[in-house]
Amino acid sequence: GQNIDQPTEMTATEGAIVQINCTYQTSGFNGLFWYQQHAGEAPTFLSYNVLDGLEEKGRFSSFLSRSKGYSYLLLKELQMKDSASYLCAVRDEGRDDKIIFGKGTRLHILP
Amino acid sequence: DSGVTQTPKHLITATGQRVTLRCSPRSGDLSVYWYQQSLDQGLQFLIQYYNGEERAKGNILERFSAQQFPDLHSELNLSSLELGDSALYFCASSSQGRDEQYFGPGTRLTVT
Repeated sequence: GQNIDQPTEMTATEGAIVQINCTYQTSGFNGLFWYQQHAGEAPTFLSYNVLDGLEEKGRFSSFLSRSKGYSYLLLKELQMKDSASYLCAVRDEGRDDKIIFGKGTRLHILP
Repeated sequence: DSGVTQTPKHLITATGQRVTLRCSPRSGDLSVYWYQQSLDQGLQFLIQYYNGEERAKGNILERFSAQQFPDLHSELNLSSLELGDSALYFCASSSQGRDEQYFGPGTRLTVT
């Protein structure tokens, strides 16, 4: 079946580093997305990985291992405004190219 | 501001009714996606259109339908509404259907 797993909640301290993991099982794979969503707002795009490896974008990096069905989002130098939900999503090419979202990880940043 | 617009912002209606949600993608984007987000289900992909044609289908109920018009705006029609259809409905657009998606502000639907 199709499954995207990520931790429900995480807590980290301002200025620290946090890694949010995502594992997936889908019938096909054509890319993995990470989105940030503040409460009551629309998701905003953070990253898209289709090849194995690490992609860095400022304070945020995303890693993908297709053989392991695994990705992580790394957030450095955490700021209070990083308190949000982080959504992992997979484009499943084997299922009419549909996009499957995980339930999201709520990240709380403590001062 | 993502450049994607959605109307209305809020909608309150009764069970059994029918509503239409509207989305205008960013200028130049050919793909439109519809999502439903409820508290217990997270973000659910409903359907994607590319340049007027259905491109991918998710867990969209038969009571729901969508279309994309020649000017690329899209409408999501929800009929025979049930209490469980109360949710935030997001539209997103992208330029090629495989790249990053830009989300609109959403329509909050409340079915009473």
